[in-house]
Amino acid sequence: DAGVTQSPTHLIKTRGQQVTLRCSPKSGHDTVSWYQQALGQGPQFIFQYYEEEERQRGNFPDRFSGHQFPNYSSELNVNALLLGDSALYLCASSWDRTRRPDYGYTFGSGTRLTVV
Amino acid sequence: EDQVTQSPEALRLQEGESSSLNCSYTVSGLRGLFWYRQDPGKGPEFLFTLYSAGEEKEKERLKATLTKKESFLHITAPKPEDSATYLCAVQAKSDFGNEKLTFGTGTRLTIIP
Repeated sequence: DAGVTQSPTHLIKTRGQQVTLRCSPKSGHDTVSWYQQALGQGPQFIFQYYEEEERQRGNFPDRFSGHQFPNYSSELNVNALLLGDSALYLCASSWDRTRRPDYGYTFGSGTRLTVV
Repeated sequence: EDQVTQSPEALRLQEGESSSLNCSYTVSGLRGLFWYRQDPGKGPEFLFTLYSAGEEKEKERLKATLTKKESFLHITAPKPEDSATYLCAVQAKSDFGNEKLTFGTGTRLTIIP
């Protein structure tokens, strides 16, 4: 059973550029959340998608946007990249509560984004 | 605002030397407290979810406990392969189940052979 798959694994971008990160959730999961993890820090919540809509959002600027597709996969887009956007970007999937009990989020291995 | 504080930041133990990691939290109605293990360059790996004070869960050499203000992750007779960063996170109650997780900064555990 495949877990959460993220692509690419590593990425180097220049300040001001735009980037798109991709996530395929674990089989059977319908909710996708994105987190940003700076070096030596815990993951910070960016936003969550369910039924192709953004359901919750953390304290991140509008430069961060996302999308969820009918097959539950998701994209994270970041515009006008800043040096401070360099981090490990994690995708986590789960079942919606109304359908399944909560056994914790399943995380992917992340995309390491470096902005130069 | 939900907050999670983990201590110590780093811990070095000899193989077989038992210890505990602490996670203090404040949350507006706790739905669940989560423990994850994270290896370098990898995503967090789920260990436990605790839902109410007094609850305990065990897995191999790890045991997690929960009070109304903090959680402990007890490591008994650790082995070098237990070396990792251990993350604690809380999830608040809300109208829908999959509320965001608020993480601490983690405890970096090193087990010396």
